[in-house]
Parts: sequence; C-alpha cells; structure tokens
Amino acid sequence: DADVTQTPRNRITKTGKRIMLECSQTKGHDRMYWYRQDPGLGLRLIYYSFDVKDINKGEISDGYSVSRQAQAKFSLSLESAIPNQTALYFCATSAAGGYTFGSGTRLTVV
Amino acid sequence: AQSVTQLGSHVSVSEGALVLLRCNYSSSVPPYLFWYVQYPNQGLQLLLKYTSAATLVKGINGFEAEFKKSETSFHLTKPSAHMSDAAEYFCAVRDSGSARQLTFGSGTQLTVLP
Repeated sequence: DADVTQTPRNRITKTGKRIMLECSQTKGHDRMYWYRQDPGLGLRLIYYSFDVKDINKGEISDGYSVSRQAQAKFSLSLESAIPNQTALYFCATSAAGGYTFGSGTRLTVV
Repeated sequence: AQSVTQLGSHVSVSEGALVLLRCNYSSSVPPYLFWYVQYPNQGLQLLLKYTSAATLVKGINGFEAEFKKSETSFHLTKPSAHMSDAAEYFCAVRDSGSARQLTFGSGTQLTVLP
C-alpha cells in the first residue's frame, strides 16, 4: 500500500455539488497538506494541519474546507464546486525535512 | 515569505545533450530546497534536496543541483539527456516557519528530442 493514499483518483462533478477528497497516510507524520496544481502555476497550498486540533489556511483556501479526522486522515471538501476548481489535487505529509505526496486526485467540475 | 522562480516554462534538448533547468529562490533564512519531477499522469517524485550540507547535491536518475547562495540559485543539471527524462520539473523551497510547507515554482516542461 502507498504511504499516502488519495481517493478518488479521478472525479467529474457538476457545478454546485458538494464533493470530498480523501487522504490517508501510514507515515505517522503530524503535518499534512492539501495542494492544487494548475498548468503554468505549479502547486499552491490550500490548507495545512499540524494535528487534529490545528488546521490552517493556505494561499488559496477560499471555496474549500478541510477536516482532520485523525492523525492519519485529512479530507478536503468543496462545498459548492465551480468550474475553476477543476485541477489536480495533491495531499502531502511531512516530518524531519522530508515530504511524501499522494498520487493526486484529478477533479473536473462541469 | 519564501518564493521560487523557474526560468523557462518549456525547455527542449536533444537526446545526449546537457539538461539545465533554472531555479532562483527568495528566502530570509538559509533555505531547504527541493527538485521534484512529475511524469505524465503521475504524482510528484523527489529528485533531490538541499538541506544546508554539501552545496552540490546528487539525486536520482543522474541529476544534480548546485546551491549558490550568492546567486540565490539552485539549478538542476544532467550531463546527458535521455528520452525518459521528458517530464515536468518543479523547484520548491520550504517555509521557514512552523508550518514547513513547500512553496513551488511554476514548473518547467522538459522535452527531449531524438
């Protein structure tokens, strides 16, 4: 099994729908992150979490929310999806200077 | 706040030629710097990282990068390009605060010509 698992891998949803992207890790890392990747923009930070009680907004948090259900689980929600949220989403964990990324979730909002 | 600039969104080289991908960073403290590669339809794979030890860092697949503080640069090189090197490459700097998030450059798409 992968160290950082993201589900689903691909998702197409309609404008206005609520959608949740899930991330689970087996690394035992406290820090977890959600990034989105857009062509020509690289990866930008949406939210990050130090532990289940400590969640912080990143650079582009508007339109997103997160939940840290346990040390190992960090979910990203789009309350009302819009087309410009179409992107590739990555979950990551970190500890001791190293980072582990999931395989990504490709989300398309139509 | 840290920032990263990757010069050249697209770079093309011939197979066997030198690969040079440029990265300049801005950081108020000694930085931790990273290069990642993303192959088509895949996630991010770490190529190498600089953590204030040796300024010349060797990574996987024959890549290396040199940290130059005076130039605030961390350029990625490979002496001889291979067709399998075609991918997108991202430079990143670690945040100096407690969050330790990575700030990424906008990426460089490398094309290797036969």
